[in-house]
Amino acid sequence: QSALTQPASVSGSPGQSITISCTGTSSDIGGFNYVSWYQQYPGKAPKLMIFDVSNRPSGISHRFSGSKSANTASLTISGLQAEDEADYYCSSYTSSSAVVFGGGTKLTVL
Amino acid sequence: EVQLVESGGGLVQPGGSLRLSCVASGFTFSVYNMNWVRQAPGKGLEWVSYISASSTSIYYADSMKGRFAISRDNAKNSLYLQVNSLRAGDTAIYFCARDRGGRAFDMWGHGTMVTVSS
Repeated sequence: QSALTQPASVSGSPGQSITISCTGTSSDIGGFNYVSWYQQYPGKAPKLMIFDVSNRPSGISHRFSGSKSANTASLTISGLQAEDEADYYCSSYTSSSAVVFGGGTKLTVL
Repeated sequence: EVQLVESGGGLVQPGGSLRLSCVASGFTFSVYNMNWVRQAPGKGLEWVSYISASSTSIYYADSMKGRFAISRDNAKNSLYLQVNSLRAGDTAIYFCARDRGGRAFDMWGHGTMVTVSS
């Protein structure tokens, strides 16, 4: 159950778009369409932003979108806003019926 | 109000045990699969365990098998995690999380802190 690989940090200016990658294997991301993305502010619980690769829960802005190609999933945030500055985590269901998270990516809005 | 509230954390010596609880309110707890996720101080999220709505399916992260035990009481709208043989590496905030399907966690509690130290 090795963690999924995410960049430690990304940054962008207000209004720009950024993409966070999440790389796994054929036993997790590549094998199932069960990739999720979470946003977490310091000292707070995570919040589900994307489920099943590309679906947004009710109330989540259309600026957030998800995709997957082979063993890599991606989260794109368009029209970057100051409030988007947070930590982002990907996760995937695995072939051993477990869940594996990425190491997290700190998003800085310049 | 729809919420999950954890309790039971605290300071425990290495080798000790704790029973964490999570009480659900505002939704039909008995139809949802549930999970525990932990986060060490300054670190990322780590999945701990899963239990199906009827307790028929249970899974653990490899590093916790044999030491942790998940359970639930649907009559009490409660989820539990018995944590045994605790070591320093288990120091973390433990969150309970509702599973909307596909292991996507759409509701989280505020977490309960477990500190393992002598």
